[in-house]
Amino acid sequence: ILNVEQSPQSLHVQEGDSTNFTCSFPSSNFYALHWYRWETAKSPEALFVMTLNGDEKKKGRISATLNTKEGYSYLYIKGSQPEDSATYLCAPHLGGGADGLTFGKGTHLIIQP
Amino acid sequence: DSGVTQTPKHLITATGQRVTLRCSPRSGDLSVYWYQQSLDQGLQFLIQYYNGEERAKGNILERFSAQQFPDLHSELNLSSLELGDSALYFCASSPRTGEGKGYTFGSGTRLTVV
Repeated sequence: ILNVEQSPQSLHVQEGDSTNFTCSFPSSNFYALHWYRWETAKSPEALFVMTLNGDEKKKGRISATLNTKEGYSYLYIKGSQPEDSATYLCAPHLGGGADGLTFGKGTHLIIQP
Repeated sequence: DSGVTQTPKHLITATGQRVTLRCSPRSGDLSVYWYQQSLDQGLQFLIQYYNGEERAKGNILERFSAQQFPDLHSELNLSSLELGDSALYFCASSPRTGEGKGYTFGSGTRLTVV
């Protein structure tokens, strides 16, 4: 069973503040790392797919970094807004990418006005 | 609308029964994935099909089976249902497999077994 750890499990942040959270995964046989945003009553939506060690991706106020050697990725949100409230899931893709993604349990982010 | 269509949205059935969940992938996507989300659990990978063939299996029970048809839609069959099978079942699709592309998820089928 693939061990994917996301921390913290939940996070309350004031509107306008910046925040970040972590995804840890086995570093061996790495292929790609996915980040998804999952809003309540909706379906998960892909944010980033990262493949290279040291890679950094950005989408508006959200960015992510990747360290494949030590097996972790950080997701950053700058200037949090209420619409950022969601559960953020990471999913490493190992072994050549042949199998389905294994998702972590997510970080539940609540932005307080 | 993500382009991935799942039907039905809700399903209530009794223990011991059999149900079929249906998924139409986004246009052009060849891979279909099925996931289960139970209470307090994350998304659990069940099974993947690519262009009509089974590609990968996750934690899928023997009572569950799936297939992908020539038009690329997929069906997940759940039989001898138990109370613990109550969950949200998601289908996702991607263009191919193993190419580092994100998945597109459907809106899910909520199954309640009573």
